[in-house]
Amino acid sequence: NAGVTQTPKFQVLKTGQSMTLQCAQDMNHEYMSWYRQDPGMGLRLIHYSVGAGITDQGEVPNGYNVSRSTTEDFPLRLLSAAPSQTSVYFCASSLLPPRLAGIEEQYFGPGTRLTVT
Amino acid sequence: AQSVTQLGSHVSVSEGALVLLRCNYSSSVPPYLFWYVQYPNQGLQLLLKYTTGATLVKGINGFEAEFKKSETSFHLTKPSAHMSDAAEYFCFGNAGGTSYGKLTFGQGTILTVHP
Repeated sequence: NAGVTQTPKFQVLKTGQSMTLQCAQDMNHEYMSWYRQDPGMGLRLIHYSVGAGITDQGEVPNGYNVSRSTTEDFPLRLLSAAPSQTSVYFCASSLLPPRLAGIEEQYFGPGTRLTVT
Repeated sequence: AQSVTQLGSHVSVSEGALVLLRCNYSSSVPPYLFWYVQYPNQGLQLLLKYTTGATLVKGINGFEAEFKKSETSFHLTKPSAHMSDAAEYFCFGNAGGTSYGKLTFGQGTILTVHP
């Protein structure tokens, strides 16, 4: 298994440009999520999905869109990039969604470092 | 509201000294808590996880954490620090209230180990 993969590893955008960060997992995981990591703020949840066709907002969803048309893929779209979106983005997945019975280990991708100028 | 809080953004210890990284949680539903470690320029790796049951959880690399419901804490410890432990550590778990979909991280604690 490749685990959780993210592309690209690095990206530089100009303000106003749009782009899609790719995330894929080959472990047949139901739950997928996107985080951004900023110094001193830990990782903050952007969007998450509990299965194909189902997505929901996290803590900081503004300026980002997601879709989950397949179990494997969970792309994150920046509609109009802003300097405030300069960050490191991590995709994560787990076998099952968090629920009353428990939370599975989250598997993280290697991250995408995005700079918006 | 933040449901997982790490006290101390930086902790510095000498090699061989005790490591104590603090995490407190707030949740009105049963908490499920994890500690993850991030080495420089790398992704996140699971250290250990708490699920209902044993309050002392052992993880990789000699780390362990104790779940204390009365103190709403899940502090991470290691009896003797090693230079290779230098990294950023994150406490992580389910959000407060009735939501299970949203998982939140603490702010992170950077551990420095001095020779």
